[in-house]
Amino acid sequence: SQTIHQWPATLVQPVGSPLSLECTVEGTSNPNLYWYRQAAGRGLQLLFYSVGIGQISSEVPQNLSASRPQDRQFILSSKKLLLSDSGFYLCAWSVSGVNTEAFFGQGTRLTVV
Amino acid sequence: AQTVTQSQPEMSVQEAETVTLSCTYDTSESDYYLFWYKQPPSRQMILVIRQEAYKQQNATENRFSVNFQKAAKSFSLKISDSQLGDAAMYFCAYRRNNAGNNRKLIWGLGTSLAVNP
Repeated sequence: SQTIHQWPATLVQPVGSPLSLECTVEGTSNPNLYWYRQAAGRGLQLLFYSVGIGQISSEVPQNLSASRPQDRQFILSSKKLLLSDSGFYLCAWSVSGVNTEAFFGQGTRLTVV
Repeated sequence: AQTVTQSQPEMSVQEAETVTLSCTYDTSESDYYLFWYKQPPSRQMILVIRQEAYKQQNATENRFSVNFQKAAKSFSLKISDSQLGDAAMYFCAYRRNNAGNNRKLIWGLGTSLAVNP
């Protein structure tokens, strides 16, 4: 069966520090991968999606970047965090080429102080 | 552009009763998918139910069912025999059935459901 792992679960970082959140999927190949952000009490905002290794599409211009160095690995990064980067970050995957739903990781709660 | 609207920020229901959460959407597409996701306090997003737009029959998953009204662009979720574990934020989501490989979801802002014992 397929599983998705996202870490860390919580993170407190000072303003100006770098960020690296990692997400890996097991049990499938060539998945579509997504990074979402959810501000407190709000819906989900799609940040990045990837349909293959090295293929990243950005939905919202911002202080963050994403990379997909391996087929089932998706990384969310920042060189210098801002206070406004605080939020709940969710990684998700869906089956490539098939109309199915997205499956989510457990999320990372990021607090920038 | 497609949009999803959930007009009820908060709802509450007594344990064992039935509650209906509303969702409307706007699209010019005829072929698409609709989903209800549940986000409990743990904050992991869990798929509850999905509906293919080309299917007239409403989807059902145990105590969860939908009322899909394509012409009205309405997609409500009914939870029967509500349980304490149903307390969560519920999100309605839309995705067009496009030929491309991307599977972007359009999300509503969510409805917070409280279940009273």
